[in-house]
Amino acid sequence: DARVTQTPRDKVTEMGQEVTMRCQPILGHNTVFWYRQTMMQGLELLAYFRNRAPLDDSGMPKDRFSAEMPDATLATLKIQPSEPRDSAVYFCASGSGSTETQYFGPGTRLLVL
Amino acid sequence: GESVGLHLPTLSVQEGDNSIINCAYSNSASDYFIWYKQESGKGPQFIIDIRSNMDKRQGQRVTVLLNKTVKHLSLQIAATQPGDSAVYFCAERIQGSQGNLIFGKGTKLSVKP
Repeated sequence: DARVTQTPRDKVTEMGQEVTMRCQPILGHNTVFWYRQTMMQGLELLAYFRNRAPLDDSGMPKDRFSAEMPDATLATLKIQPSEPRDSAVYFCASGSGSTETQYFGPGTRLLVL
Repeated sequence: GESVGLHLPTLSVQEGDNSIINCAYSNSASDYFIWYKQESGKGPQFIIDIRSNMDKRQGQRVTVLLNKTVKHLSLQIAATQPGDSAVYFCAERIQGSQGNLIFGKGTKLSVKP
């Protein structure tokens, strides 16, 4: 049963600490998306990649957030330094070039104290 | 102080009744639409999609209707079950946007047994 996996599922950290979230897209999918979900803003697109190349990261605060795909099976989202306003659920989704459907992972619930 | 969250429209239906969830999309250039279901603590799950050259598409117990004239999308769920309780999101893709989806704010469906 192919699915997107994300780690960690939950993360509690203190303000100023670095946070790294990881995502393993569905095997064979070449597009990876990072979203943030909060009660205030709903689902917001942060960045996305196709064939490991960043296509759009305009939704991401550049000064503290960074997204990479070291290889086709791993996408990372880093926040350094983290702030309380970064508290949210972060979702990764993947898709293939032949279809527009995005398949979501279970999310990483981040709480920055 | 009390935080102000996103107040989702809520639809409450009796088990066994049909549900209709509506969505107004924003861009007349959108050519692809998806409905997602999100249960508490989980990532959005793909339900059904439709392209702009269609006005109706049926799945198992679900039907999506597209009215491009008024930019309106609806999701119909037949014989609603308690397991259908979730937040439902519509998403649109603007033609030429390289797969970037724009999500609506969501509708909470509550099924009464």
